[in-house]
Amino acid sequence: GQQVMQIPQYQHVQEGEDFTTYCNSSTTLSNIQWYKQRPGGHPVFLIQLVKSGEVKKQKRLTFQFGEAKKNSSLHITATQTTDVGTYFCAGPDTGTASKLTFGTGTRLQVTL
Amino acid sequence: NAGVMQNPRHLVRRRGQEARLRCSPMKGHSHVYWYRQLPEEGLKFMVYLQKENIIDESGMPKERFSAEFPKEGPSILRIQQVVRGDSAAYFCASAGLAGGYNEQFFGPGTRLTVL
Repeated sequence: GQQVMQIPQYQHVQEGEDFTTYCNSSTTLSNIQWYKQRPGGHPVFLIQLVKSGEVKKQKRLTFQFGEAKKNSSLHITATQTTDVGTYFCAGPDTGTASKLTFGTGTRLQVTL
Repeated sequence: NAGVMQNPRHLVRRRGQEARLRCSPMKGHSHVYWYRQLPEEGLKFMVYLQKENIIDESGMPKERFSAEFPKEGPSILRIQQVVRGDSAAYFCASAGLAGGYNEQFFGPGTRLTVL
């Protein structure tokens, strides 16, 4: 079945350092979505990428969709403690496309 | 500005009891998804429903679990004869359009603890 893997599983950075999480799908995706889940909270939609090679920015966050539409990345510049949480990528299930398959997630810890 | 509502937020059950989890989607949304999340793990799809229809239940265990989304009222995820392994956070999400192409709005979740 379809697999969506993320690396690293966990990263601990000092405030001000950069952070990147990588998302790799076993199949080509029509689109990729990113969600953030704060500790004890629920996933919150961040962004959707649709086009091959697409790059989108939200303040200090940069999202990229690979040329082959099988991978994606999220880069955070100059992390802040408010960035703490788990970042999930998600893409349509290749079987039915009626649902999202979520990645394994990357947990980010930021300390002062 | 009512988002997705879930209740209860926390539920404690003893082994063998029934757990009933409720989800009210965002206003105007007719597509509901249920996910299970074990501690420190990702989101596992369970079931996708539209009003009065189960569209995809491929992620739901065949036994003890059932879901519905009636014409009136919230969507219900029902777990019969709970076991300790059912302890998890259960999230409901709703979408205005169908499928994996659209943003999903998540509720706050129900944390189920089975003693």
